[in-house]
Amino acid sequence: DTAVSQTPKYLVTQMGNDKSIKCEQNLGHDTMYWYKQDSKKFLKIMFSYNNKELIINETVPNRFSPKSPDKAHLNLHINSLELGDSAVYFCASSQDFHTLPGELFFGEGSRLTVL
Amino acid sequence: AQKITQTQPGMFVQEKEAVTLDCTYDTSDPSYGLFWYKQPSSGEMIFLIYQGSYDQQNATEGRYSLNFQKARKSANLVISASQLGDSAMYFCAMREGLSGGYQKVTFGTGTKLQVIP
Repeated sequence: DTAVSQTPKYLVTQMGNDKSIKCEQNLGHDTMYWYKQDSKKFLKIMFSYNNKELIINETVPNRFSPKSPDKAHLNLHINSLELGDSAVYFCASSQDFHTLPGELFFGEGSRLTVL
Repeated sequence: AQKITQTQPGMFVQEKEAVTLDCTYDTSDPSYGLFWYKQPSSGEMIFLIYQGSYDQQNATEGRYSLNFQKARKSANLVISASQLGDSAMYFCAMREGLSGGYQKVTFGTGTKLQVIP
């Protein structure tokens, strides 16, 4: 039973389209994240939610909108896709800050290719 | 300024030898944590080892150990007896506290390790 699952795993789409990536975790964690990994493998945090509340919103274009319907789900919607959005998007979750070590549990990643 | 610095973009090591992957960090938070993750070519992120800022001893997990030098703000990963399956990208990451009791985990740029038979 996958702890953090993302769908779809692969996404190929045209510039200007809108797409969504879904993430679910069954670990009972309170905190969920979206990270973007670019072609140089650099992992950059985009958003973090704690129990449905937005905690971290890094410098990300407004075209990216996260939504957390409950603490087990964190979805990412991207409007008007651009070539530069091509990347692997990782969802992750962790327990609360006071529970050590507090490592991130990652999904398998969703590879987005914008043509 | 970079919070996490990994200065070795690529490293080679002979099979069965030990290798050290460097990581330095920068934070003013007295309570922080340091992680190492492995990303094989298949793409998944695998948690390897953790060191808390208040931990007195260096962390060890099997063939992985973390050489934590707090005063120098370094948290190097040592892999002993390298195996072919150790070939992967390795990321150092740091957890810092945010206001409200939340946390943020920032990653370094990674080191690509290749184990030579």
